[in-house]
Amino acid sequence: DTEVTQTPKHLVMGMTNKKSLKCEQHMGHRAMYWYKQKAKKPPELMFVYSYEKLSINESVPSRFSPECPNSSLLNLHLHALQPEDSALYLCASSQIPGLAGFQETQYFGPGTRLLVL
Amino acid sequence: GENVEQHPSTLSVQEGDSAVIKCTYSDSASNYFPWYKQELGKGPQLIIDIRSNVGEKKDQRIAVTLNKTAKHFSLHITETQPEDSAVYFCARKGGGNKLTFGTGTQLKVEL
Repeated sequence: DTEVTQTPKHLVMGMTNKKSLKCEQHMGHRAMYWYKQKAKKPPELMFVYSYEKLSINESVPSRFSPECPNSSLLNLHLHALQPEDSALYLCASSQIPGLAGFQETQYFGPGTRLLVL
Repeated sequence: GENVEQHPSTLSVQEGDSAVIKCTYSDSASNYFPWYKQELGKGPQLIIDIRSNVGEKKDQRIAVTLNKTAKHFSLHITETQPEDSAVYFCARKGGGNKLTFGTGTQLKVEL
């Protein structure tokens, strides 16, 4: 099973709202990622968690707040977003790169399409 | 740096023809090169990958070639079918967790 699930599929929010995106995987992966993808563009890395600890933050504005409550779950808390934050938000997971014998392939979820009004 | 150039940006082929997409990178520390297919409204799906110690890999109609000296790698799809129509992204990774994606190729397979 190489499935990463994301909820919700679609989300519309106002600039004063607080919402959360959720991601789940049961592949035993210990690295999880958030990406942002604008239309006709490649995914852009936002955050990386390794062993449930934040290891990479690509200078993402503080209105995006990631959380990794356990090894299967990854959340992205949203607050005071701007219309330019409208995009497809993708979650991915992988084994920890560099560990002997482990594949480093990143598996993506279907994404949450976010519209900020 | 870590950038990946991908060409062409759009590609139209007739059903049954072959399609080739090329990517170049500059970071010699790159050691892993996956290719993703993204259909409309879906997340990227891995279709094939190759590591730096291998020059070519094939999986049915899909193949990837890697030229480490020239720092480029290519995706080859043979006997294309309408369901191959999608956006294809190449990517590279060096040490650590970070994937850098190419700019994408919109492939259209026409009947």
